Amino acid sequence: GESVGLHLPTLSVQEGDNSIINCAYSNSASDYFIWYKQESGKGPQFIIDIRSNMDKRQGQRVTVLLNKTVKHLSLQIAATQPGDSAVYFCAERLTGGGNKLTFGTGTQLKVEL
Amino acid sequence: EAGVTQFPSHSVIEKGQTVTLRCDPISGHDNLYWYRRVMGKEIKFLLHFVKESKQDESGMPNNRFLAERTGGTYSTLKVQPAELEDSGVYFCASSQNRLAGGREQFFGPGTRLTVL
Repeated sequence: GESVGLHLPTLSVQEGDNSIINCAYSNSASDYFIWYKQESGKGPQFIIDIRSNMDKRQGQRVTVLLNKTVKHLSLQIAATQPGDSAVYFCAERLTGGGNKLTFGTGTQLKVEL
Repeated sequence: EAGVTQFPSHSVIEKGQTVTLRCDPISGHDNLYWYRRVMGKEIKFLLHFVKESKQDESGMPNNRFLAERTGGTYSTLKVQPAELEDSGVYFCASSQNRLAGGREQFFGPGTRLTVL
């Protein structure tokens, strides 16, 4: 599988606890944000997205919060499970910038039993 | 429905050689993207096709990289000649036409390129 960088931030949580992964995005003109999950040897997998006109969106066991004032995005995972262990990336799309996504550096989530 | 597929999964070549990566998007997806992640850093955009046309190639690092999507179906990304700094994982993604409600980009498993 793909190796992660030595400097990838890591979050360790106990199984069953809630996880919060944070991301600071760079461009105030971004209109759309996505969280991706990447497991070893696989490509990024869509988790949840949010438009800039919203500040919260919920999915199944996941919630994304957007704070445009401080350009901060977070992903909350409820009742974290071993299968949630992966690298999580936030991505932003610039308004008028076409469809290209700009990714953050990623956070390694490790779920301890 | 088959997802985005990429070939090969792993390629090891020597500096100066040529490598061609292939991506087959999800059937019916007009949009095709290439991204890469080098040295464990963030995933970076390379270019975007809409059908067979290059919509945005602002992320292509230099003229050693050539992407094509003849016929608007699969795409190839050729690196010639490869340099050491080209090593990384190359991802392809596809999405539907926005008018059809497409926004999510579906990623393939990636091709790990190692240049020695």
